[in-house]
Amino acid sequence: NAGVMQNPRHLVRRRGQEARLRCSPMKGHSHVYWYRQLPEEGLKFMVYLQKENIIDESGMPKERFSAEFPKEGPSILRIQQVVRGDSAAYFCASSPPSNSGYGYTFGSGTRLTVV
Amino acid sequence: AQSVTQLDSQVPVFEEAPVELRCNYSSSVSVYLFWYVQYPNQGLQLLLKYLSGSTLVKGINGFEAEFNKSQTSFHLRKPSVHISDTAEYFCAVSEYSSASKIIFGSGTRLSIRP
Repeated sequence: NAGVMQNPRHLVRRRGQEARLRCSPMKGHSHVYWYRQLPEEGLKFMVYLQKENIIDESGMPKERFSAEFPKEGPSILRIQQVVRGDSAAYFCASSPPSNSGYGYTFGSGTRLTVV
Repeated sequence: AQSVTQLDSQVPVFEEAPVELRCNYSSSVSVYLFWYVQYPNQGLQLLLKYLSGSTLVKGINGFEAEFNKSQTSFHLRKPSVHISDTAEYFCAVSEYSSASKIIFGSGTRLSIRP
């Protein structure tokens, strides 16, 4: 029973390029959450998705960032026209449909470096 | 909206000494509380959680935490630490809701000295 799978583990992009981060939740989990961790900082909530629905995107920057969780396939966090300040670790977590009090299972993260 | 405060950004302790990592939360409704651990270059792993019932919660690796509603605290403790406990520890809170996200504190870096 695989856990939350994130890929790639490391991603290097030049300024202005696009970054696509993928997350496959645990089997049986239908809720996906994305967090960003800047160097020496805690985890900041970005977005909460269920299949084909964005439930809460209050932590997403207004521009360049988008997320989706299609009916089939992994959840994708997309960053357009990356800048140096986007360099961070991006973590995905998942929880089952009735997530109340469950807590999350986290992936190992994608470390994005913008050069 | 809920929030979490971890007062200590770093806590150095000697091996086999006891440790307490402090956490205070703020919320206008009932909450669930969590402690997660992050080892270098890894994701977060759930240490323990408080949902309801007994205020003393035992987790993995010998850690425990006590929920204090009047002080809105959820401090993490271990009676005797090991070198392998060196990591970042995050306190987190979630409101009672099927559509609620978890909010994390800024973390406490625990460093163990031999």
